[in-house]
Amino acid sequence: ETGVTQTPRHLVMGMTNKKSLKCEQHLGHNAMYWYKQSAKKPLELMFVYNFKEQTENNSVPSRFSPECPNSSHLFLHLHTLQPEDSALYLCASSQAGTVAYEQYFGPGTRLTVT
Amino acid sequence: EDKVVQSPLSLVVHEGDTVTLNCSYEVTNFRSLLWYKQEKKAPTFLFMLTSSGIEKKSGRLSSILDKKELFSILNITATQTGDSAVYLCAVEVKQRNYQLIWGAGTKLIIKP
Repeated sequence: ETGVTQTPRHLVMGMTNKKSLKCEQHLGHNAMYWYKQSAKKPLELMFVYNFKEQTENNSVPSRFSPECPNSSHLFLHLHTLQPEDSALYLCASSQAGTVAYEQYFGPGTRLTVT
Repeated sequence: EDKVVQSPLSLVVHEGDTVTLNCSYEVTNFRSLLWYKQEKKAPTFLFMLTSSGIEKKSGRLSSILDKKELFSILNITATQTGDSAVYLCAVEVKQRNYQLIWGAGTKLIIKP
């Protein structure tokens, strides 16, 4: 498989559930990102990992918990979410320290919180 | 607060028409402006602009940046149904370590 993959592609969960989103990149990159995309709103950067170290946490609520076990894998653990957390969650990767446009995006996970 | 504003939010035209999408920004320490196309899910890179007045062109798409007036436009000529997508504008600022500030996007629908 090539590029950036994300699983699952669709997820419906209740507010009391715990679930995880997975992202995997096959590009040899060493920086990975989680974005949230809500309808009619700009992409929101949530977390950035460079060389497995978290370098950005843009005031994201603690009900979202990222994990980066290695440079190829990134997880987003979800628990006690709210309906307003329903959105498209995009993962991206790039070479750390390169220009921003060289981010490659995965297809996203469409999350619905009921 | 840094921000990027795109207009219009949505646009419906007929095949063959020419469209112009707008992106204005207010940021400190501008580095570059980028255009992405998002079909269905994953955004894909179109252009990066760093200098005023220099047009970037790829087929029927072109873009230009005005650093004095703080905006960019994306033109698409002879539109085709395959151009239907959300077009995203993002700005890179120097002190944010290659991170991007995104606009909300323009949803373009091309009718046959």
